[in-house]
Amino acid sequence: GAVVSQHPSWVICKSGTSVKIECRSLDFQATTMFWYRQFPKQSLMLMATSNEGSKATYEQGVEKDKFLINHASLTLSTLTVTSAHPEDSSFYICSASPGLSSYEQYFGPGTRLTVT
Amino acid sequence: QQQVKQSPQSLIVQKGGISIINCAYENTAFDYFPWYQQFPGKGPALLIAIRPDVSEKKEGRFTISFNKSAKQFSLHIMDSQPGDSATYFCAASSEGNTPLVFGKGTRLSVIA
Repeated sequence: GAVVSQHPSWVICKSGTSVKIECRSLDFQATTMFWYRQFPKQSLMLMATSNEGSKATYEQGVEKDKFLINHASLTLSTLTVTSAHPEDSSFYICSASPGLSSYEQYFGPGTRLTVT
Repeated sequence: QQQVKQSPQSLIVQKGGISIINCAYENTAFDYFPWYQQFPGKGPALLIAIRPDVSEKKEGRFTISFNKSAKQFSLHIMDSQPGDSATYFCAASSEGNTPLVFGKGTRLSVIA
């Protein structure tokens, strides 16, 4: 159990376009999901906390108008990278907890974004 | 300010040996300490986790040792195998449904 999926697994887009990444909890409901960004050979950097039915909470330095997060249901959160630029190329990973007070977080397989 | 310090940055272990990765934290409010394993191009997978009410937890070849007074915890991989070659991250959190604070990771290579 506790499976998190992401779609797409990889995407290539042109500079200036927008890309949407989906994160789904397949066998549990997640009131909270988290979005991370990871550069090669580095640790995970928290971008934002996504709460179902409310606005996301962004970490300092993360542009909320560029990285739009929508938590439409208890099993789906989306991250849209707007007006993407090459520096946005990265590995984006979401995670979710199976319960309001659950400590365990399960990660999706990640989405590799390349902006050309 | 890095709240979870992880060492070593990289580790090479012979097949069958013991791999040991250490983490230290500063925030005494942390009360959940998981370890994640990540293979290249994949998301992190929860390996094992511990709460501060116990000093050790073992699952198969993986053991977490926890020292609350020293604010340190470590991952021991017994009988290390080439398939264990991956990046390992320690993490910590202070309550449920809150973001994890990650260490910088350890790249483990198990050589035959």
